[in-house]
Amino acid sequence: SSELTQDPAVSVALGQTVSITCQGDSLRTYYASWYQQKPGQAPVLVIYDKNYRPSGIPDRFSGSSSGNTASLTITGAQAEDEADYYCNSRIANYVEVFGGGTRVTVL
Amino acid sequence: EVQLLESGGGWVQPGGSLRLSCAASGFTFGIYAMSWVRQAPGKGLEWVSSISGSGDTYYADSVKGRFTISRDNSKNTLSLQIKNLRVEDSARYYCATAGLPRHWGQGTLVTVSS
Repeated sequence: SSELTQDPAVSVALGQTVSITCQGDSLRTYYASWYQQKPGQAPVLVIYDKNYRPSGIPDRFSGSSSGNTASLTITGAQAEDEADYYCNSRIANYVEVFGGGTRVTVL
Repeated sequence: EVQLLESGGGWVQPGGSLRLSCAASGFTFGIYAMSWVRQAPGKGLEWVSSISGSGDTYYADSVKGRFTISRDNSKNTLSLQIKNLRVEDSARYYCATAGLPRHWGQGTLVTVSS
């Protein structure tokens, strides 16, 4: 299967830790990337190659992977982290797939 | 600074055609693979197509045969020709670098409606 499956929504108390998971067969071969998207804005890459953060992304964002599951963890969630998060991976050269997205609500 | 600026979106009737463009700057465009990703209103991200630096093309099954991706490395421009548009093709279309770390444009909106 070339799909990536994410939980539709999670919530986290301000300052607490939340993990978002992404499952798919492609993750056994390729690393996941994670994108944050706020309303009306383009997606922003927060994690790639399993656990690399682009410049400017806070270190409270981290990634991990095991088998067919990738995870994005926000340690000490802030109000500004409230957004939709999408996982993404290649399934072949230049062919890729996105997960359905997880809406993170910070309480 | 990498900049990607999409254009060409608009309203079109079902069965119509559009050509989307993406002007790239701030990096050596010709050596990087590029992609189009779309997002229907209120929905998630969907990979549409990619093109390698040398021009090899790749498409999602949902658009194969109707969409054509191309690039002009002399003009630092990526294009997406869309034919036989369907209502379900209505979305914001984003131009993005295919490699990592990925950079995105702000998107151009395509509305297919009668």
